[in-house]
Amino acid sequence: GAGVSQSPRYKVAKRGQDVALRCDPISGHVSLFWYQQALGQGPEFLTYFQNEAQLDKSGLPSDRFFAERPEGSVSTLKIQRTQQEDSAVYLCASSLSLAGELDEQFFGPGTRLTVL
Amino acid sequence: AQSVTQLDSQVPVFEEAPVELRCNYSSSVSVYLFWYVQYPNQGLQLLLKYLSGSTLVKSINGFEAEFNKSQTSFHLRKPSVHISDTAEYFCAVIPDTNAGNMLTFGGGTRLMVKP
Repeated sequence: GAGVSQSPRYKVAKRGQDVALRCDPISGHVSLFWYQQALGQGPEFLTYFQNEAQLDKSGLPSDRFFAERPEGSVSTLKIQRTQQEDSAVYLCASSLSLAGELDEQFFGPGTRLTVL
Repeated sequence: AQSVTQLDSQVPVFEEAPVELRCNYSSSVSVYLFWYVQYPNQGLQLLLKYLSGSTLVKSINGFEAEFNKSQTSFHLRKPSVHISDTAEYFCAVIPDTNAGNMLTFGGGTRLMVKP
C-alpha cells in the first residue's frame, strides 16, 4: 500500500502506563504532522516535522508527550504516564512539500487510544 | 491565531435532496480553506480546497464550496445527495504565514443521508 499507515490501530492502556504510537508516512514525503482527535471533536494539531527536524511542537498538551522522527521517515509519538484525558484518536499525516508549499496532507487511519 | 466553526454537528437529509454544510472561520491573516471527509472506519480524505482564484471550487463527486471573504465562510453544498455521502465532514484552514502548514479544523458535521 502507498498510503500512510499507523500502528497499532487500537491501544488500551492503564492509567500511568507509557505508550508509543507509530506512523509510517508515504515514502519520500518531507513533512509529517501529528493531530489529536477527541471523541466528537475535530482533529487538533500536536506537532510537525520537516524531515528529521521537529519544527513546531506547540500543540503538545504537556511534557508527557514526546515525538521523534530520527531518520526523517517513520515517526513515533510517545505518551508517558498516560491519563484518562489522553484518550483520543491520534492521526498522522504526511505531505510531499516543504513548509512553503501547500501540498495535500494525506492522513493515516489513526490510532485509537483508550486509557482506563 | 485562527478558529473554525461548523454550526451544525449533525445534518439529516433524505437521499436526492440538496444539502449545505456551514463553515465559518476567524483569522487575523489570509487563510487557505479545505473540506475533508471521513467515511466510517476510514481516514480523513481531502474533498476540495480553495487556495486562490475562482471562489467556487468543486470536487469530482458533485460537492462544491464557495469562499466568501466578507462573510468569512466556506460553506459546502451538494444539489442531490446519495446514501454513500453519509460521513463526517470537516472544514479546515491553513494561515498564509509560511509558519508551517498545520491545519486548524472545525468540530465536524455528521451528514446522515436517509433513503
